[in-house]
Amino acid sequence: DQQVKQNSPSLSVQEGRISILNCDYTNSMFDYFLWYKKYPAEGPTFLISISSIKDKNEDGRFTVFLNKSAKHLSLHIVPSQPGDSAVYFCAASGNSGYSTLTFGKGTMLLVSP
Amino acid sequence: DAGVIQSPRHEVTEMGQEVTLRCKPISGHDYLFWYRQTMMRGLELLIYFNNNVPIDDSGMPEDRFSAKMPNASFSTLKIQPSEPRDSAVYFCASSLDAVGVADQPQHFGDGTRLSIL
Repeated sequence: DQQVKQNSPSLSVQEGRISILNCDYTNSMFDYFLWYKKYPAEGPTFLISISSIKDKNEDGRFTVFLNKSAKHLSLHIVPSQPGDSAVYFCAASGNSGYSTLTFGKGTMLLVSP
Repeated sequence: DAGVIQSPRHEVTEMGQEVTLRCKPISGHDYLFWYRQTMMRGLELLIYFNNNVPIDDSGMPEDRFSAKMPNASFSTLKIQPSEPRDSAVYFCASSLDAVGVADQPQHFGDGTRLSIL
């Protein structure tokens, strides 16, 4: 069973608009969440994270929102740029020394000029 | 700074052969992880080490898979004998500390694309 779900395999957005990528989780023990970006033939690279004590974390054009009651998080990219075209993975971890991440299957974002 | 280095980048071999994937973590990182990525299952954790000691190998699919970390700068993932269903991209990652404890993300290598014919 998938504990971290990214229900949209792909998303297309125009340059300059907002991209919203969604992620749902089922394990209530998860309390730390990350987003990774992956280009073809490269490994995933860390983008942004959020812990359960927050509901929002912002880094430049990237903002992650966490809704614990709904077990849902989202990544907002504003404004979207063609270089943002990549696969985005949501990942989650438990607390207190948990070293492992559980990944979603990813959403492919295509930003067109 | 050098990131996580994996070799080879591509490996094509015949069923039944032994396959060895190699990983050099970022210097100073105490945690090392091996992942496998497939279309069906996505990114799944196979095994991870802390200070060269295997901590959790529950993701290793079968006894045909084994992993070692003889020192802080080198790890191997071995498949013997290999089977076509082992075809996937294998990633190695390292981190400075445990996820969620010190807010330290995992840093990934570029992966090894393995094809078993």
